[in-house]
Amino acid sequence: QVQLKESGPGLVQPSQTLSLTCTVSGFSLTSYNVHWVRQPPGKGLEWMGRMRYNGDTSYNSALKSRLSISRDTSKNQVFLKMNSLQTDDTGTYYCTRWYNSGYYFDYWGQGVMVTVSS
Amino acid sequence: DIVMTQGVLPNPVPSGESASITCRSSKSLVYKDGKTYLNWFLQRPGQSPQLLTYWMSTRASGVSDRFSGSGSGTYFTLKISRVRAEDAGVYYCQQVREYPLTFGSGTKLEIK
Repeated sequence: QVQLKESGPGLVQPSQTLSLTCTVSGFSLTSYNVHWVRQPPGKGLEWMGRMRYNGDTSYNSALKSRLSISRDTSKNQVFLKMNSLQTDDTGTYYCTRWYNSGYYFDYWGQGVMVTVSS
Repeated sequence: DIVMTQGVLPNPVPSGESASITCRSSKSLVYKDGKTYLNWFLQRPGQSPQLLTYWMSTRASGVSDRFSGSGSGTYFTLKISRVRAEDAGVYYCQQVREYPLTFGSGTKLEIK
């Protein structure tokens, strides 16, 4: 069955770089797009960026200068790197699969909580 | 960017009653194919968001017919009929008409 699972450090120091991994199963990264969405504690959802099935990427312009998304198709993994972290980057980070025939996120990971603090 | 604005519910809603959640977009979400690119999600406490409807009014697989989406190009409503305890959580609208994809700020539903 389709699964996505985020992993990464729970605590990152201010000004440092966040590195997260989304490991997928049940589908191919060369057939589906995978997106990253984050959610500050008690707040709403923010789209961050995506890795397309063909390897192209696109980013939220608000984060573009700090954000990089890449992948390793042999390991079924999508990576997120974001630098210059600040306290307002604290939140839960989700990876989610895009269903292109319907234009929606059909499967989500459980999310990984990241706290930016010294 | 398209701004999504959601309304507030008069919580708590008595079990068995109906609840309507509103969402407005700063730009029409109707594409040239005639479809309206508006999705609704429910996020229960401690869980990931769950898709309820897409293309404004098409229910996702396995979603109860108590959930119905409607609207125009810029004003949308998610109606929940005969609310139940399991419907509690935060509801988000999301536009997928163009990038960056954007979400509303969420509408909390509490059940009495």
